[in-house]
Amino acid sequence: DTEVTQTPKHLVMGMTNKKSLKCEQHMGHRAMYWYKQKAKKPPELMFVYSYEKLSINESVPSRFSPECPNSSLLNLHLHALQPEDSALYLCASSQDRGRFEQYFGPGTRLTVT
Amino acid sequence: GESVGLHLPTLSVQEGDNSIINCAYSNSASDYFIWYKQESGKGPQFIIDIRSNMDKRQGQRVTVLLNKTVKHLSLQIAATQPGDSAVYFCAPITGGGNKLTFGTGTQLKVEL
Repeated sequence: DTEVTQTPKHLVMGMTNKKSLKCEQHMGHRAMYWYKQKAKKPPELMFVYSYEKLSINESVPSRFSPECPNSSLLNLHLHALQPEDSALYLCASSQDRGRFEQYFGPGTRLTVT
Repeated sequence: GESVGLHLPTLSVQEGDNSIINCAYSNSASDYFIWYKQESGKGPQFIIDIRSNMDKRQGQRVTVLLNKTVKHLSLQIAATQPGDSAVYFCAPITGGGNKLTFGTGTQLKVEL
């Protein structure tokens, strides 16, 4: 199974809402990633988890809170977002942190109203 | 190239023709290069990689060429098919780098 799954596919939330994005992989990968992608732009790295520990935070605002409950799951908790946070949020995994062949999920299309 | 622009460069080719997608990079210390493909509604997908000690690498219907002298690499797709329609990103990696940084991307449109 070389699939990374993400839920939900689409999410609309208000600026005062709290929501979570979920990502799952069963490839035994030990590194997992969150990326943000705006329309017609490349994905931009937000967070890296390695062996369930936060390894890289690309100076992401605290209204985005990642969590890695176990080696297969990665969450992104959202609170008090701004309309400019509307984007496609992609999750990816790789065998370990030093590997650049990453497997991406289809993403969650987030709209903040 | 690597800079982020407002508009996505577009390459239109006829089905069956060969496609050449270019990528310029700025850091001469980059020593590993990756190409990803992102189809509409999907996440990026790894295509092929090349290390700086090589100048050519071939995969299935794809070839990557690296010219370190002018800091340029290209992705060649043979006999382009409708399923090749996607945005293609190059990602230069610098030795010891620990994160994937995508270039601007090129939209490939295959005309029937």
